[in-house]
Amino acid sequence: KAGVTQTPRYLIKTRGQQVTLSCSPISGHRSVSWYQQTPGQGLQFLFEYFSETQRNKGNFPGRFSGRQFSNSRSEMNVSTLELGDSALYLCASSLGLPNNEQFFGPGTRLTVL
Amino acid sequence: AQSVTQLDSQVPVFEEAPVELRCNYSSSVSVYLFWYVQYPNQGLQLLLKYLSGSTLVESINGFEAEFNKSQTSFHLRKPSVHISDTAEYFCAVTSNRDDKIIFGKGTRLHILP
Repeated sequence: KAGVTQTPRYLIKTRGQQVTLSCSPISGHRSVSWYQQTPGQGLQFLFEYFSETQRNKGNFPGRFSGRQFSNSRSEMNVSTLELGDSALYLCASSLGLPNNEQFFGPGTRLTVL
Repeated sequence: AQSVTQLDSQVPVFEEAPVELRCNYSSSVSVYLFWYVQYPNQGLQLLLKYLSGSTLVESINGFEAEFNKSQTSFHLRKPSVHISDTAEYFCAVTSNRDDKIIFGKGTRLHILP
């Protein structure tokens, strides 16, 4: 079974631009979660989608948004990029309950100049 | 609400020495517990998990963790570390009543030659 894939792996943008990151979950997994990882803040939860609906959301501004398609693939979008958005963005998929074990992709490294 | 505390942000240890990475959780219901490992420039990988049954769980590369309900802990141990164990380790908790999984802030394991 193929693992979680994320595209692109690396991205360089400038302040004010927007960016879209993509995540393809493991086949059969309906839950997709997004995390931001930075050296200063560690691993922070952005949001989770389950069957095309946002089910949980972290404490990030509205510039961060996401969606999930009927095939469970997910995208996250960041608008009006700021220097502080530079981070590793990780996607994880899961079957959901009962134990919500997360399977992570390799991440997208976003650099904002 | 559930929470996870990893008491040490960094742990230096000499090669072939034993190591313990501490994890304490808070929850009012029965929990599932996980340890994930992140090698440099990679996503997180599941190291081991406690779902039910034996409170001592082991990984294929020599790590083990013990679920201690009375002390609400799930510490990770290895009797003899190798340079290849250099990584960041994350503890996580969830339950069968909650679709959220909560991650600790991570512990960076430095292996000294």
